[in-house]
Amino acid sequence: QVQLVQSGAEVKKPGASVKVSCKASGYTFTSYYMHWVRQAPGQGLEWMGIINTSTGYTSYAQKFQGRVTMTSDTSTSTVYMELSSLRSEDTAVYYCARDHGYSYGPLDYWGQGTLVTVSS
Amino acid sequence: QSVLTQPPSVSGAPGQRVTISCTGSSSNIGAGYDVHWYHQLPGTAPKLLMYGNNNRPSGVPDRFSGSKSGTSASLAITGLQAEDEADYYCQSYDSSLSGSGVVFGGGTKLTVL
Repeated sequence: QVQLVQSGAEVKKPGASVKVSCKASGYTFTSYYMHWVRQAPGQGLEWMGIINTSTGYTSYAQKFQGRVTMTSDTSTSTVYMELSSLRSEDTAVYYCARDHGYSYGPLDYWGQGTLVTVSS
Repeated sequence: QSVLTQPPSVSGAPGQRVTISCTGSSSNIGAGYDVHWYHQLPGTAPKLLMYGNNNRPSGVPDRFSGSKSGTSASLAITGLQAEDEADYYCQSYDSSLSGSGVVFGGGTKLTVL
């Protein structure tokens, strides 16, 4: 069965960087794009970007351009999302989610989420 | 401010029918991009509920239906049950001069009275 298992919760200071991993299993990793979506406490879903897990090609939401880096390791079926220059507003649960289609969605499987807390 | 607009909340009694609207524009829903719906229980990850405007993934009961017209879409739930109480999000794709990417609605909290 398809599973996306994310790394554990992180606490970071403002200005630091965080790297979250998402390990996929139960399907052919390189056949599907992967998105990253975040959700601040009590807020809605916010799309951060997408990575072609086969080629490594990425497309980021304008809001995160210059601060986010998504990478793919085909040898371990793992994608990574690194967010730099963290500020308190980046406190959120970060999800990886598989794209069932061709980068437009739907997002058919989601990781369990990784809570990132930014606090001094 | 979300690109797709949803009502913050809807409610209904058990057995009733409710609808959740999702309003976009000519750069997303109106451009022909599909609308997908997710539901989310507190403390859990979102789960795909409807894809391609009106298709249910395996395991989703036929009490749930979706539609799309023009620049809007809607999710209907009939025979409301207590277990339907959750947050619901619509999602589409947006392509404009300022960039392209997946977009979500702000979410709708469904309360079963």
